[in-house]
Amino acid sequence: GAGVSQSPSNKVTEKGKDVELRCDPISGHTALYWYRQRLGQGLEFLIYFQGNSAPDKSGLPSDRFSAERTGESVSTLTIQRTQQEDSAVYLCASSLRRELYGYTFGSGTRLTVV
Amino acid sequence: DQQVKQNSPSLSVQEGRISILNCDYTNSMFDYFLWYKKYPAEGPTFLISISSIKDKNEDGRFTVFLNKSAKHLSLHIVPSQPGDSAVYFCAATDYDAGNMLTFGGGTRLMVKP
Repeated sequence: GAGVSQSPSNKVTEKGKDVELRCDPISGHTALYWYRQRLGQGLEFLIYFQGNSAPDKSGLPSDRFSAERTGESVSTLTIQRTQQEDSAVYLCASSLRRELYGYTFGSGTRLTVV
Repeated sequence: DQQVKQNSPSLSVQEGRISILNCDYTNSMFDYFLWYKKYPAEGPTFLISISSIKDKNEDGRFTVFLNKSAKHLSLHIVPSQPGDSAVYFCAATDYDAGNMLTFGGGTRLMVKP
């Protein structure tokens, strides 16, 4: 597609439920990133996929968070047993590995845990 | 440990005046720096970048300055316009080590008419 697409755009879930967030990167982009932005805070790195290499999961805040990517296309971020502190905007970005202009971000998924 | 810091969470400027947004970094391996702009309910979009081989890069009303010895960069917007009101993030990377960006916490710029 023309840009990075994320779905859903908004998600309200009850505490303790599992949620899945989806990201469709730009076709041909080998690198895919997940970030989150909690209210009033900056962009927090979560996980990075690069081609067929093992993902860099160093930013995942707990074992309730996991992510998968199918080849060089769609990625899903799963949060199990959601907590109120998981409420944030989850942003996905993709890039060519050595792209000079950095990432192209999607519009994000606003997750609210009630 | 925050490797990229934007110490001013917000900045208010009059239309037509200069906006200066600052960013400091600690990792001496960082050699490529970018600024992103974010409107509410949208993802950040790339604005301007600079390589460590330069100390200035200009694109229209936007200029980024890099002071490597001070590990400091700044974004100048001249003249500021109300449409520039947004959150600005600086980001840095060790370009040869991969393409992962480390972001600062952002500065909210408000340009008043």
